[in-house]
Amino acid sequence: DTGVSQNPRHKITKRGQNVTFRCDPISEHNRLYWYRQTLGQGPEFLTYFQNEAQLEKSRLLSDRFSAERPKGSFSTLEIQRTEQGDSAMYLCASSRVNSGDHEQYFGPGTRLTVT
Amino acid sequence: GESVGLHLPTLSVQEGDNSIINCAYSNSASDYFIWYKQESGKGPQFIIDIRSNMDKRQGQRVTVLLNKTVKHLSLQIAATQPGDSAVYFCAEIWPVFSGNTPLVFGKGTRLSVIA
Repeated sequence: DTGVSQNPRHKITKRGQNVTFRCDPISEHNRLYWYRQTLGQGPEFLTYFQNEAQLEKSRLLSDRFSAERPKGSFSTLEIQRTEQGDSAMYLCASSRVNSGDHEQYFGPGTRLTVT
Repeated sequence: GESVGLHLPTLSVQEGDNSIINCAYSNSASDYFIWYKQESGKGPQFIIDIRSNMDKRQGQRVTVLLNKTVKHLSLQIAATQPGDSAVYFCAEIWPVFSGNTPLVFGKGTRLSVIA
């Protein structure tokens, strides 16, 4: 399977704990995006990278959230001191840098439940 | 603020009938739109896209119509099949010169196909 992969698929944690998610994009895709999706809503943009550079962060990304893409390949999203409001599906997407190509390929997501 | 939204949260159709899913957008400057399909437990899957300089685009069994006058987007699915059952999102990209900017998603419409 050469699509976007995410691990873990599900994570249950207690409030106050730290969690880290991983995303492996499609090979040779320069751009990598993180979105958050709550039940019944569309995905909301969090942040994105072009290669290893983090180019934009949404105001949704509080100080407790940090994302990295150290070698321009896989990315991690860490949430510190989790809160119940962090419970959501965290989606990763990747794409090629191409002015004519806007298609972002999504992974299956990591569902986070904070108890 | 400006956002992407949908008229109908749920839509039930008989197998074999045509489906029409609607979307209203409020950012008149948006220049690119995408329809995504999301099945339960999966990430969004690209269906079809359209640029603002087009009124209609056809794919395999799907057609997207764009009416810039009333800021309306629709997705038509011909001969709806049980496998089409999913949540459908429209998404827009605000005008920038380079591609692959973050997507702004609407809330979604759930399509249920009755066999």
